[in-house]
Amino acid sequence: SYEVTQPPSVSVSPGQTGTITCSGDKLGDKYTSWYHQKSGQSPVLVIYQDDKRPAGIPERFSASNSGDTATLTISGTQAMDEGDYYCQAWDTNGVPYVVFGGGTKLTVL
Amino acid sequence: QVQLVQSGAEVKKPGASVKISCKASGYTFTNYALHWVRQAPGQSLEWLGWISGGSGNTKYSQAFQDKVTITKDTSASTVYLDLSSLRSEDTAVYYCARSFSGLSNGWYVLHHWGQGTLVTVSS
Repeated sequence: SYEVTQPPSVSVSPGQTGTITCSGDKLGDKYTSWYHQKSGQSPVLVIYQDDKRPAGIPERFSASNSGDTATLTISGTQAMDEGDYYCQAWDTNGVPYVVFGGGTKLTVL
Repeated sequence: QVQLVQSGAEVKKPGASVKISCKASGYTFTNYALHWVRQAPGQSLEWLGWISGGSGNTKYSQAFQDKVTITKDTSASTVYLDLSSLRSEDTAVYYCARSFSGLSNGWYVLHHWGQGTLVTVSS
């Protein structure tokens, strides 16, 4: 079965740029989304279709997907950006599937 | 605005079944898919499957196709998740989530999420 891998944790200082990666075999050939989950809350979609932001998501969130790696970048990181981030990959060629990464805990310190 | 309101927490014994609901409002129910995702304590997210709000077609994760059944009541704008033969490993928060769009490239993007339903399996 297909898997995607994320680093367990990332730390970033307020106002700096935080980067979270998501790796999988030929991930660039699949669609990726990113979700932000604060403790005790439901996930929130922050990126879809590799690099698009839904309405209401700040411009400081950006992303890319190429080769074997998708990357979420948070510019000018704020305290409110703390929490867990999950990448999601999906493919409808053959048997459709959806997989999530193990999640990355972003700490703003 | 789009709202997904899920039923309350459940406590079940091993071997039992449970049915949880997700009531949608604020959009045309038949134009989107509704997905179910679960999250065990301290763990990542796991996709279980989806149902089309229009056709009623379903698709399940291969890992859960013997565990879950997704149905809907269009007149009530509600989808249901049936979990069978519960085990302690099924203890998790179960989320419903609406697709980003009714088009193929938005079908598997989970845009709006319910508040989650905790299912606890314990003897």
